[in-house]
Formats: sequence, C-alpha cells, structure tokens
Amino acid sequence: NAGVTQTPKFQVLKTGQSMTLQCAQDMNHNSMYWYRQDPGMGLRLIYYSASEGTTDKGEVPNGYNVSRLNKREFSLRLESAAPSQTSVYFCASRTEAYGYTFGSGTRLTVV
Amino acid sequence: AQSVTQLDSQVPVFEEAPVELRCNYSSSVSVYLFWYVQYPNQGLQLLLKYLSGSTLVKGINGFEAEFNKSQTSFHLRKPSVHISDTAEYFCAVTDSGGSYIPTFGRGTSLIVHP
Repeated sequence: NAGVTQTPKFQVLKTGQSMTLQCAQDMNHNSMYWYRQDPGMGLRLIYYSASEGTTDKGEVPNGYNVSRLNKREFSLRLESAAPSQTSVYFCASRTEAYGYTFGSGTRLTVV
Repeated sequence: AQSVTQLDSQVPVFEEAPVELRCNYSSSVSVYLFWYVQYPNQGLQLLLKYLSGSTLVKGINGFEAEFNKSQTSFHLRKPSVHISDTAEYFCAVTDSGGSYIPTFGRGTSLIVHP
C-alpha cells in the first residue's frame, strides 16, 4: 500500500546512546516532516524538508538532526538520547496544501 | 503565526448520540483548516479539510465540519456516533499562501460509551 513507512516501531535506549529513525514515502511528495507527540501537547514539529536537498528547524529541534537522503527518505537522528526525548515520533509527507499523510509512529523510551 | 485551541480535552458521549468537537483558531492571514483522527497506537489520518468554497465540509466516516470565518471556528460534528469513533481528534490550521506547515491543536479525546 502507498504511504509513509517508519522504522523501527518501538525502541528503548539508554541515556547517551544514539539512534536514527527512518522514514520513507512512495507518493512522490516533495515535503516531509518529523513530529513528536507527547500527552496533552499535541504534535510539535521537530524538523522539516520542503524539498529534496533542503531541511529546516521546526518548533523543537534541539537534540535532533535530520537528513533528506533523497526524495523518498527523511531520517531523524538522536546523537545523545535524553529521557526528555521519550516520546512518539511521527513522520509525515505532503504535496501542495492537501493535508499530510502520516506514518504509524515510532515509540521511543529513553531510560 | 497562527494558533489552534481545542476547547475540550475529552468528550464522553453515548453511542448513537450526536457529537460536536470544538476548534477555534487565530491567524492574521487566510487559512486552510483540517481535522485528523488518531486511533489507538496508530498515526494520524486526514478526516476532512477546508481549502475554499462551501463552508460546510464533509469528510470520511460521516463527519462534517463548518468553517465560520467571523467566529474563527471549525467545529467537527457527527449526527450519530459509533463505538468505533472512539479516538483522538486533532484540529490543524495552516496559512494558505506560505509554507503550508500546520499548527495542531492539543487534541480532543472522543470516548463513545455503549
């Protein structure tokens, strides 16, 4: 099925460890996004990529880096994980203004 | 910059009753408006959107929303809910002429009781 695929679905990290969350879309969308979702906070934008080769910071970029590898793939990296980064992470993609398509999420726990 | 306020964090309702989930926004420019639904342990799914034209927008699963520019609202309604409508609902707004990056509300949890 066409859509946004995120890996892994679950991850437990120790404080200070690093990891990369992977995201790929097969809808030929130009723009891709990374959000985190915390209880009572809604979705907060971490980073986005308006097109291949460009990335920009969102509302909460500290502690994260991103790579837009090609038009399909947009990865999120935690260099040194902290307990405050325990969250559910969603990748999304968009074409024009017609709403986002979201992945199913990565549930990350940092202990 | 824009903001979104979802006035209710939780809405309990009985099956087959009508429901309204409230959303107000603020923006200094023209906007596009969206409602998304999130079922447990899943990503968000687009329910409906308002871009232009008719202020009454129909979406999937029998939901509809009405854009009211004077009241800066975009309330979501369903005349008769089912148990399967139990989910988290998010309102989102984006400016119509810029980056299209939406601002999300904090969500309303719809709980449908039998």
